[in-house]
Amino acid sequence: DTAVSQTPKYLVTQMGNDKSIKCEQNLGHDTMYWYKQDSKKFLKIMFSYNNKELIINETVPNRFSPKSPDKAHLNLHINSLELGDSAVYFCASSPLHQNTEAFFGQGTRLTVV
Amino acid sequence: SQQGEEDPQALSIQEGENATMNCSYKTSINNLQWYRQNSGRGLVHLILIRSNEREKHSGRLRVTLDTSKKSSSLLITASRAADTASYFCATDVTNSKLTFGKGITLSVRP
Repeated sequence: DTAVSQTPKYLVTQMGNDKSIKCEQNLGHDTMYWYKQDSKKFLKIMFSYNNKELIINETVPNRFSPKSPDKAHLNLHINSLELGDSAVYFCASSPLHQNTEAFFGQGTRLTVV
Repeated sequence: SQQGEEDPQALSIQEGENATMNCSYKTSINNLQWYRQNSGRGLVHLILIRSNEREKHSGRLRVTLDTSKKSSSLLITASRAADTASYFCATDVTNSKLTFGKGITLSVRP
């Protein structure tokens, strides 16, 4: 059973399109995240949600809109895609309390052409 | 700028040798964690060391933490070809935010 699953795994799209990436976790965790990993493997947090509430919104363009319909799901919608959005996007989850590890999905490789 | 900085950026060793990777950070932390990422895969948690701990072991892994120097090291003993991956340190400053370094690429030659 996959703990944190993202779909799709690969996404190729044209500039200007709108796309969504879905994430689901079956671990019962309260906190979910989106991370972006660039071509140099630098991993940067984008958003963090606790029980469907937005906790962290790092300086991400407002073309990126996370949506959490319930605490097991955190989807990422991206409007007006740009070439610079090409990256691998990782969803992760963790329990709410301190000193716990995060569990990552397999990533979604987004390529904007 | 990111919280964690790993050193070296790349490391190549022979199978059976030990691999030592270092991480430095800037602010006070709740804990520091090490993750591994195989090519094309997600990150996998290896070990967590709390701010009041100095050393921790897990199998062939040994992690140390020096809060006075704001640094940590990850030692992999008796390395195997399967240890080839990227390794990241991540600092937990608040409950809802793990900040990662740029990662170290480890190559273990058979």
